Amino acid sequence: DIQMTQSPPSLSASVRDRVTITCRASQNIRSSLNWYQQKPGKAPKLLIYAASSLQSGVPSRFSGSGSATDFTLTISSLQPEDFATYYCQQSYTSPLTFGGGTKVEIK
Amino acid sequence: QVQLQQWGAGLLRPSETLSLTCAVYGGSLSGYYWSWIRQTPGKGLEWIGEINHRRNATYNPSLKSRVTISVDTSKNQFSLKLSSVTAADSAVFYCARIVGNSLGDWFDPWGQGTLVTVSS
Repeated sequence: DIQMTQSPPSLSASVRDRVTITCRASQNIRSSLNWYQQKPGKAPKLLIYAASSLQSGVPSRFSGSGSATDFTLTISSLQPEDFATYYCQQSYTSPLTFGGGTKVEIK
Repeated sequence: QVQLQQWGAGLLRPSETLSLTCAVYGGSLSGYYWSWIRQTPGKGLEWIGEINHRRNATYNPSLKSRVTISVDTSKNQFSLKLSSVTAADSAVFYCARIVGNSLGDWFDPWGQGTLVTVSS
């Protein structure tokens, strides 16, 4: 199985901060990397697919980059509604696997 | 806009079979794969398997011996069965549609989630 490692596991940030979350794959997954946001008690919500494509309806402050084994999710200006847990997920090969998550908390 | 609504028993005894169903509203089962995913505090998000309207199914090898995913096209629903459950199978289970292109696949949308607890 492809292992997905996210860092950091958690971070504290303030509103309007720029936040960067990284995801590393245990092998080359090209651009088959997606990002999700999850709030407590809710299902994950798709933010970014294919490494850098913004899902319809998602604010443009969210962006994704990277390829092969190293990927980044950036929130350009953190908003109050962005405090949540973020997950990466690879779809290069089965079984599909997720990262362990990064919890973004209020500083 | 496609919406998924899921339901099933939330409390099971060890060795019983977990059974969940997911209904698809606002769209057809055709043309997509449909998936089950579970989430635990310890193991995080785990993909269980997927199926299409032609009943072509693929399972996570870690669960393959105990999992069956089926589809009912007449009701626009798909279902999950997980046999011989133990406490380790306690989790929130989600259904989701798989969307994709040449660059890969992603889950969108998701069902609301069902908490399943296995306890004697």
